[in-house]
Amino acid sequence: EDQVTQSPEALRLQEGESSSLNCSYTVSGLRGLFWYRQDPGKGPEFLFTLYSAGEEKEKERLKATLTKKESFLHITAPKPEDSATYLCAVQLPTGGFKTIFGAGTRLFVKA
Amino acid sequence: DGGITQSPKYLFRKEGQNVTLSCEQNLNHDAMYWYRQDPGQGLRLIYYSQIVNDFQKGDIAEGYSVSREKKESFPLTVTSAQKNPTAFYLCASSIAFGGARDTQYFGPGTRLTVL
Repeated sequence: EDQVTQSPEALRLQEGESSSLNCSYTVSGLRGLFWYRQDPGKGPEFLFTLYSAGEEKEKERLKATLTKKESFLHITAPKPEDSATYLCAVQLPTGGFKTIFGAGTRLFVKA
Repeated sequence: DGGITQSPKYLFRKEGQNVTLSCEQNLNHDAMYWYRQDPGQGLRLIYYSQIVNDFQKGDIAEGYSVSREKKESFPLTVTSAQKNPTAFYLCASSIAFGGARDTQYFGPGTRLTVL
């Protein structure tokens, strides 16, 4: 069964304390892997798309990396405004190009 | 500004009522999607549309219906047959369905509560 698992479910950091969020997947194939940020009560905001193992993308304090089995979202020196839920999604190459979402990691950054 | 709008932001439904959630986009995207988000779960696909006048069932279509008469609009009706409709509903669009390198962009969501 195709599955996307995000860990941890929740992460509490102090401002400036760098860490990583994990997205592991067991799927029949990977067309693309997406990261989104979601604030409470709002729709997900697109962050990155990764297509092949070894690929990396950066935006401000965020860096996303991809291997054959998982992706990491690295957060360097986070600030309180980085507090949000981060969603990972995998698009399959077959079966109607289905996109499977993980349940998300809730990040709390304390000043 | 280009984007996706959803209305209303909050919606309350009585037992036995059908309600319709609006989704409009001005991004000139061909594909549109409806997802349902419940606490502790990943987004689940309800319906999607690759092009005007075409739509397909997703993983949890029972109790829902859609139409796609215009490229910009993809309304979702939650019928009385949907037994547990309380959730956060998200509409998304992408340039094309299953495109070589496609990304879905989301609207702000509608929170539906059954009274």
